[in-house]
Amino acid sequence: DVKVTQSSRYLVKRTGEKVFLECVQDMDHENMFWYRQDPGLGLRLIYFSYDVKMKEKGDIPEGYSVSREKKERFSLILESASTNQTSMYLCASSFLRGRYEQYFGPGTRLTVT
Amino acid sequence: RKEVEQDPGPFNVPEGATVAFNCTYSNSASQSFFWYRQDCRKEPKLLMSVYSSGNEDGRFTAQLNRASQYISLLIRDSKLSDSATYLCVVDNAGNMLTFGGGTRLMVKP
Repeated sequence: DVKVTQSSRYLVKRTGEKVFLECVQDMDHENMFWYRQDPGLGLRLIYFSYDVKMKEKGDIPEGYSVSREKKERFSLILESASTNQTSMYLCASSFLRGRYEQYFGPGTRLTVT
Repeated sequence: RKEVEQDPGPFNVPEGATVAFNCTYSNSASQSFFWYRQDCRKEPKLLMSVYSSGNEDGRFTAQLNRASQYISLLIRDSKLSDSATYLCVVDNAGNMLTFGGGTRLMVKP
């Protein structure tokens, strides 16, 4: 069964802290994605990666960075968390060819106080 | 203007009803179209792809109108378990999907 896991379901951090969100997939997918989901705004792409050590900016990369050292793992980093980064963060993965079918992790609800 | 627009709803319908959602997209070069379903507090999952010729999967029918740049989803004989948010998704090529804000459906007994 297809599986994407995220390191935490809920996270509370203080303004200015460095935050790491981790995502692991077990489907040998080439593509991995990080989205944030906010009420009224839908899912917005932060970054994606189509291969190890490769990354591409999405629609809202400001304030975020990513790391992909292994094919199965994609990390999202908030260098200095701010309150406007309070959101639901969703990781997804897909094959390179069948890119439309993205499999999502359960999400991490991040609150920055 | 948002790239993919949907009526957020909620659509409140009784069991057994037929309900339809529309979605409009702004990029006329968009190549592929999909409907995802997201249950409350869960992750989105692919419901069905949308082809130019239309496609049907059981009680669900998806249609694409390229000339008017809209996509529709029709659900017949609604079930309580159909209650969810339906996300319209457009693939503009280059590995990136654009999601609409979602339409919330609530099916009542």
